[in-house]
Amino acid sequence: DAGVIQSPRHEVTEMGQEVTLRCKPISGHDYLFWYRQTMMRGLELLIYFNNNVPIDDSGMPEDRFSAKMPNASFSTLKIQPSEPRDSAVYFCASSFGGRFEKLFFGSGTQLSVL
Amino acid sequence: GNSVTQMEGPVTLSEEAFLTINCTYTATGYPSLFWYVQYPGEGLQLLLKATKADDKGSNKGFEATYRKETTSFHLEKGSVQVSDSAVYFCATSGGSYIPTFGRGTSLIVHP
Repeated sequence: DAGVIQSPRHEVTEMGQEVTLRCKPISGHDYLFWYRQTMMRGLELLIYFNNNVPIDDSGMPEDRFSAKMPNASFSTLKIQPSEPRDSAVYFCASSFGGRFEKLFFGSGTQLSVL
Repeated sequence: GNSVTQMEGPVTLSEEAFLTINCTYTATGYPSLFWYVQYPGEGLQLLLKATKADDKGSNKGFEATYRKETTSFHLEKGSVQVSDSAVYFCATSGGSYIPTFGRGTSLIVHP
C-alpha cells in the first residue's frame, strides 16, 4: 500500500488567497484525521471523520477553515481566506476501527502564508 | 480532557549514549499510551504502544513501561545511533480514544 498521500508537499501563498490541501487515506481505513503542527502549539487535532462523516470539528480554529470528505478515498482541508498565522505543517492521518491503536500519517503539507 | 507533558528538547547525545525522554499523562478511563517518531520531512509513525498498566512496549531497541501509579510512560534506549535523530511524540488515548499528542521532543545524536 502507498500509505496516506497528501498534496501538495509545499504550498506558498499570499494572505487572502484560498488554499486547498488534499489527502488520500489508506484504502479500507474508516477514520480520517486532520492535524496541524506548529512550534508554538505542537500537534493539534483539527477535525476527524468516520465513514466520510465529520464527527468532531471542535479543533477547527475558525470559520475560515473547512474540511470535506466526499468519498472514502479523498478529503480536503480548505482555508479561505488564508492568513500568515495559518502557516504550519498540516498532516492527514487515517486508521481502521474505533480504538485508534495505530494512526498512519501522511508526509504533511508545509504551508507558508506570506 | 486528556493531556500529555513531555520534556522539552532538544536532547543532544553522543552515539551509544543512553536515552530517556520523560512523558507524563492525564486521561480518563483506561487509556492506551503511545510513542510516535517523526523523521525529518516525514509524517509521524507509531514506534511502540502499551494498552494497560505495567505493560512494556518495545520496538527497534526502544522501550517504555506503562506506569499507572506515576502516570508516566518514559521512553528509553540503551545505545542510541545517529539514525535515531528525530522528533519523538508521546500520546495517550482515553475516553473517546482519539489520541492526544505531546509537544514532541527533538533528539539529536552526534557521531
